[in-house]
Amino acid sequence: QKEVEQNSGPLSVPEGAIASLNCTYSDRGSQSFFWYRQYSGKSPELIMFIYSNGDKEDGRFTAQLNKASQYVSLLIRDSQPSDSATYLCAVNRGRDDKIIFGKGTRLHILP
Amino acid sequence: GAVVSQHPSWVICKSGTSVKIECRSLDFQATTMFWYRQFPKQSLMLMATSNEGSKATYEQGVEKDKFLINHASLTLSTLTVTSAHPEDSSFYICSASPGLAGEGDTQYFGPGTRLTVL
Repeated sequence: QKEVEQNSGPLSVPEGAIASLNCTYSDRGSQSFFWYRQYSGKSPELIMFIYSNGDKEDGRFTAQLNKASQYVSLLIRDSQPSDSATYLCAVNRGRDDKIIFGKGTRLHILP
Repeated sequence: GAVVSQHPSWVICKSGTSVKIECRSLDFQATTMFWYRQFPKQSLMLMATSNEGSKATYEQGVEKDKFLINHASLTLSTLTVTSAHPEDSSFYICSASPGLAGEGDTQYFGPGTRLTVL
């Protein structure tokens, strides 16, 4: 089992709809969870982090964490064409605190 | 806050030469910085963890004699690709964790350096 798994996509979502991105992780000791956005040819930029079970909202973005089920998700409301990018899930590995990145999900917002 | 810069943003060099890439934390001190490499349409690959004042920790399969890392101050880490070859052509990205209250180990990335070896 991979440490951090994401569906590679592409995930196509109509403009204005909600985009839902999912990530599962294998280490039950993980405590920190991150979502990054990476545009083609650019470096990743932090969208948000979450440490506690439940939802965390920041503008159009909501991160959801369920430690019992070992998944973290990112919801993007009112999707815009500018949201088209690759979204990286990152999780800290409990045994050594190293941050492990998933391979990313490509999101395409359809105008 | 939490801005990380890299220089140069792109570099083209001849095979066999060495290239130095700088990574700076502009508004915070970083005892630890990270170096990643990303090939086109591939995922981020952690190369090494750079610790201020000590030797870097390299990931399995990364040649420490080829990718020299120096973390001489709390705001500067450098990656030198020695005797570069075309297969070293890639996008090199650094990151750092400012350790802000409530943010823990959040990493902020530099803009990356695109290396092309002819």
